[in-house]
Amino acid sequence: DAKTTQPNSMESNEEEPVHLPCNHSTISGTDYIHWYRQLPSQGPEYVIHGLTSNVNNRMASLAIAEDRKSSTLILHRATLRDAAVYYCILRAPLQGAQKLVFGQGTRLTINP
Amino acid sequence: EAQVTQNPRYLITVTGKKLTVTCSQNMNHEYMSWYRQDPGLGLRQIYYSMNVEVTDKGDVPEGYKVSRKEKRNFPLILESPSPNQTSLYFCASSLRGLYNEQFFGPGTRLTVL
Repeated sequence: DAKTTQPNSMESNEEEPVHLPCNHSTISGTDYIHWYRQLPSQGPEYVIHGLTSNVNNRMASLAIAEDRKSSTLILHRATLRDAAVYYCILRAPLQGAQKLVFGQGTRLTINP
Repeated sequence: EAQVTQNPRYLITVTGKKLTVTCSQNMNHEYMSWYRQDPGLGLRQIYYSMNVEVTDKGDVPEGYKVSRKEKRNFPLILESPSPNQTSLYFCASSLRGLYNEQFFGPGTRLTVL
């Protein structure tokens, strides 16, 4: 599986937008970019995924660079409940073992 | 409510005493998986199942067994637990493999003394 690089931690303020970066310079053409988050004392939770185009859902937006070597998860208006570890994961569904490889992720702190 | 349930949520046991952690989903998902989470090592996959009677090893299968006799259940069996299996365990499911979002259970914290 191709590797992703994320900052260890980030901090933001409540009600402000948050941009969580992820670098994946060795991404292949069939790798989807998945984002999951893990709130304290809970299991991981799906956030969003995409292949080439930017994606939006009720939780967040995913902006994918044109060369696909990086992506950014955007939380438009952070709340205290968004404090979590965010994982950026690459996955080619048809290739290799069917597993998600979680890195260390970015620990996001939201200040009131 | 669509969910993945795990039981027990907390378990303290002793070395060598066989145990089973149950996982059940009510979403008619084909894919199910087990992960363990350890400080500094993150989440690592133990076993997964693409459908009934189809299971395969993940990254850290040693010391674990699984079975998938029914679509909704995917129990994790530790035949002879050892202290290095002390961990936080998560079960996950999705409609069909990794095309779809994974739903995770609430976790089972296991301590082996």
